[in-house]
Amino acid sequence: TQLLEQSPQFLSIQEGENLTVYCNSSSVFSSLQWYRQEPGEGPVLLVTVVTGGEVKKLKRLTFQFGDARKDSSLHITAAQPGDTGLYLCAGHGGGTSYGKLTFGQGTILTVHP
Amino acid sequence: EAGVAQSPRYKIIEKRQSVAFWCNPISGHATLYWYQQILGQGPKLLIQFQNNGVVDDSQLPKDRFSAERLKGVDSTLKIQPAKLEDSAVYLCASSSPGAGKIQYFGAGTRLSVL
Repeated sequence: TQLLEQSPQFLSIQEGENLTVYCNSSSVFSSLQWYRQEPGEGPVLLVTVVTGGEVKKLKRLTFQFGDARKDSSLHITAAQPGDTGLYLCAGHGGGTSYGKLTFGQGTILTVHP
Repeated sequence: EAGVAQSPRYKIIEKRQSVAFWCNPISGHATLYWYQQILGQGPKLLIQFQNNGVVDDSQLPKDRFSAERLKGVDSTLKIQPAKLEDSAVYLCASSSPGAGKIQYFGAGTRLSVL
């Protein structure tokens, strides 16, 4: 069974601060995705990383996939109240589990004005 | 393009009652997923359909949960009888093979079992 552990589980910061969320596993994933979920809504895809060591940027968000494709991080620069939400990492196992996503437990981010 | 539609948005039932959720995926998406998301946790895959066939239902509690996708489009998920621990948000998602493994999620149905 492939498991993804996210840390921290909760993050409460002031507007303008930087933060990093981590997603770790003992398993190798063919790709890893980051989602953001707001209350009452389904998760929305932010990014997919595929290659070990890959770095992708989305405005103030930077995503990195570990060299061994077992871990990932999400870094937010100068957080804003609009960044508040639940951030989820999810891995694709590949092979016979193609298409199946394994989610981490999520990081609840609150950015205070 | 219309997104994944789910209904109802909220449902409150008593334990041992039955409940059903409905999902209409994005048009043309062959793969449909049902997830259970307990408060404070990430979504857990219950069942995955490819057209109208089941690809993965390894985490579906088959003694009380059932799902079908007749005609390979809409899908229903049923719980009978419900238990207190079934209180969760039930998310439906769909994807297309050529879309780079992107799953599009509906807003979910929030179930409260009293």
